[in-house]
Amino acid sequence: DSGVTQTPKHLITATGQRVTLRCSPRSGDLSVYWYQQSLDQGLQFLIQYYNGEERAKGNILERFSAQQFPDLHSELNLSSLELGDSALYFCASSVEEFANTGELFFGEGSRLTVL
Amino acid sequence: GQNIDQPTEMTATEGAIVQINCTYQTSGFNGLFWYQQHAGEAPTFLSYNVLDGLEEKGRFSSFLSRSKGYSYLLLKELQMKDSASYLCAVREWDSNYQLIWGAGTKLIIKP
Repeated sequence: DSGVTQTPKHLITATGQRVTLRCSPRSGDLSVYWYQQSLDQGLQFLIQYYNGEERAKGNILERFSAQQFPDLHSELNLSSLELGDSALYFCASSVEEFANTGELFFGEGSRLTVL
Repeated sequence: GQNIDQPTEMTATEGAIVQINCTYQTSGFNGLFWYQQHAGEAPTFLSYNVLDGLEEKGRFSSFLSRSKGYSYLLLKELQMKDSASYLCAVREWDSNYQLIWGAGTKLIIKP
């Protein structure tokens, strides 16, 4: 158990819909990262927050948005869903802003299926 | 540009040794990382190299050559539970220190 909690674990929805994925980082971790992992592909970095502020942005679509709240939990909002958005969405956390030692702690992921 | 290459799949025998290679082309190199990911599960951290040489941690070792843009993960005394994907990731300072991930190497261990 990494200490990172993600909900929901599984989500099935239809094209055009909107979903929200939730992440609670490890106690004491200030950085939260969101990744997308499609079938048999590498992790694609979406966005990072550090202590409530957006820190870095990757290849995140305009239909996607995220935020980190004062209690440090984070939400990833996916709207106007398309079939290609079906993937495993991971949240990870680290203590430092840049994960200096390289160790990110990953949640179990939220598997999104768009039909 | 960013490019990380790993073999897609490898097969090895229980009790043996396997070496998983990773080559990269990046700008602003700031460290290389190996993670293990069992199917459908979260990636877990294995090792971190920022200087050239070998880092050993139990049955797992990781090597880095910055001049060659090359790393390998060495797994000794393979166990069935080592069947997993092994992800190589590079951190770049000019990508806001984010990790750029390879597609992973699926390692299959046979008895």
